[in-house]
Amino acid sequence: NAGVMQNPRHLVRRRGQEARLRCSPVKGHSHVYWYRQLPEEGLKFMVYLQKENIIDESGMPKERFSAEFPKEGPSILRIQQVVRGDSAAYFCASSPPRQGVFYEQYFGPGTRLTVT
Amino acid sequence: TQLLEQSPQFLSIQEGENLTVYCNSSSVFSSLQWYRQEPGEGPVLLVTVVTGGEVKKLKRLTFQFGDARKDSSLHITAAQPGDTGLYLCAFGGATNKLIFGTGTLLAVQP
Repeated sequence: NAGVMQNPRHLVRRRGQEARLRCSPVKGHSHVYWYRQLPEEGLKFMVYLQKENIIDESGMPKERFSAEFPKEGPSILRIQQVVRGDSAAYFCASSPPRQGVFYEQYFGPGTRLTVT
Repeated sequence: TQLLEQSPQFLSIQEGENLTVYCNSSSVFSSLQWYRQEPGEGPVLLVTVVTGGEVKKLKRLTFQFGDARKDSSLHITAAQPGDTGLYLCAFGGATNKLIFGTGTLLAVQP
């Protein structure tokens, strides 16, 4: 069973460029979550998607950031006009539909974005 | 405001020592999870605790959920270098999102 896959693992962008981060969930999982880990802030929720729907984007910055999870293909986190403060590790997680009180999410290895 | 405070923030010990890390909050949770994150990797789920007072064991790791379901602890017996990593507690917020604690960075020296 393949786990959550993310690519690229490392991404370097100059200020003002666009960054596209991809996430393929565990086979059969229809729920995808994106988190960002900054050195001084810890691991923070960004967005929760199901196929073709954004369920909760309360953790997404209001500008420059967008996410999608199309019917076919991976989930994409897109950051337009990157700035140095966007440098962080971005993690994707997936889960099957919620059962009871458990929120078992399976994390990918992350994409480390460096903005120069 | 940080909902989950973990302590200590950093911990460096020698192989073979025992240690306990804590996860505290003023809120009551229906369940709490512990993750370990190794350098350069994503968090890996260790355990989910659900019932107040519950104790779960995973080899040398013992997890406890407080009676009031506001806090949890992780005890490691005879730590090994392979236990090195960032330990995170988390709870499930609305819409399934995970809210993580501040983390405890553990280094076990051989």
